Amino acid sequence: LAKTTQPISMDSYEGQEVNITCSHNNIATNDYITWYQQFPSQGPRFIIQGYKTKVTNEVASLFIPADRKSSTLSLPRVSLSDTAVYYCLVGDPYGGATNKLIFGTGTLLAVQP
Amino acid sequence: NAGVTQTPKFRVLKTGQSMTLLCAQDMNHEYMYWYRQDPGMGLRLIHYSVGEGTTAKGEVPDGYNVSRLKKQNFLLGLESAAPSQTSVYFCASSERQGRKLFFGSGTQLSVL
Repeated sequence: LAKTTQPISMDSYEGQEVNITCSHNNIATNDYITWYQQFPSQGPRFIIQGYKTKVTNEVASLFIPADRKSSTLSLPRVSLSDTAVYYCLVGDPYGGATNKLIFGTGTLLAVQP
Repeated sequence: NAGVTQTPKFRVLKTGQSMTLLCAQDMNHEYMYWYRQDPGMGLRLIHYSVGEGTTAKGEVPDGYNVSRLKKQNFLLGLESAAPSQTSVYFCASSERQGRKLFFGSGTQLSVL
């Protein structure tokens, strides 16, 4: 199975920019990279998705290098409410079909005042 | 639109009992998924479906069965519950392969 690797946890302060990197060495050609945010007792919530280069929306940016073996989620000027677990998600290239959407280990981001 | 709705929200079972978790989506999505999440851990894929009448195994399928008789519904069954199946179960759907997943609010299941 394809494996993704993220830092287990990160600490930040309000107003700082936070970058969380996910490694996915075996990403398939047609796979997208997606990041989700999860608060306690809730289902994950979509943040951003991309295929290559850079994608930006109203809450985050996603940077993907040319080889697509990693991706970086960038959260500008975080606030206390951004404290959550962030997951990197890519397709499974060994599953015969890339519908086995496997989550990474998740990164617990703790934002302090 | 309600999005993805899971029922029940909470359930307590005794070892050996059976039950079915229901997931319903009103977005006309082709793909549906069942995940489980254990305390302090990430989500693990149990089973998934790429369309009505289809099902396939995910990472941790043992002890579970699924059915997708209607496009909007994806059922997860536990034939003989075990304490190891105590977990939070999340259902999700997506329009196309590899695209944005929409999650339900989860079902907290305890097996005693």
